[in-house]
Amino acid sequence: KQEVTQIPAALSVPEGENLVLNCSFTDSAIYNLQWFRQDPGKGLTSLLLIQSSQREQTSGRLNASLDKSSGRSTLYIAASQPGDSATYLCAVPASGGGADGLTFGKGTHLIIQP
Amino acid sequence: EAQVTQNPRYLITVTGKKLTVTCSQNMNHEYMSWYRQDPGLGLRQIYYSMNVEVTDKGDVPEGYKVSRKEKRNFPLILESPSPNQTSLYFCASSNWGTMYNEQFFGPGTRLTVL
Repeated sequence: KQEVTQIPAALSVPEGENLVLNCSFTDSAIYNLQWFRQDPGKGLTSLLLIQSSQREQTSGRLNASLDKSSGRSTLYIAASQPGDSATYLCAVPASGGGADGLTFGKGTHLIIQP
Repeated sequence: EAQVTQNPRYLITVTGKKLTVTCSQNMNHEYMSWYRQDPGLGLRQIYYSMNVEVTDKGDVPEGYKVSRKEKRNFPLILESPSPNQTSLYFCASSNWGTMYNEQFFGPGTRLTVL
């Protein structure tokens, strides 16, 4: 059964720093990997989707990488801002094609200090 | 605007009183699913549907029912709610079956069962 681990569980950094969030998964036979952002008590906002054939995907100050063979992904946030404060979740299909949904990590709770 | 909507957003009810949480998407997605999110346990899938009249159990289906009579709607039914179903519920949809099956989530429904 697919398991997803996110490290660190929490992170607090001053504004302006570049930072890296880590995600690892146990079954490397995935079609894609998705990063989400969740604000307190709110819904999940999709940030980036990386297909299994891709190595990385970029959106603005965000860059996500994928190394399927090692079962790892990283989310790089450049020049962090207080508005980036949220919980970041990594998710992969629970099995193969993903018919039975996503398996999520527990998330990294990020605080950017002004 | 492409979106997944859920209603109600907040609900307080009592044990045993049947309720329905509605979910609708306007992206013509075939795949829809329900998750619940609990502190320390993360997001877990309840039920999913790969198309109209096709539904299947996720990881935590006990105490829930679903139906998929129309492509755009996927209601979650709690026939006899109990306090352990107090949770934050999310509906999601995607174009399952394509490589680019990005999952889109609704804003969430916070349910409290007294």
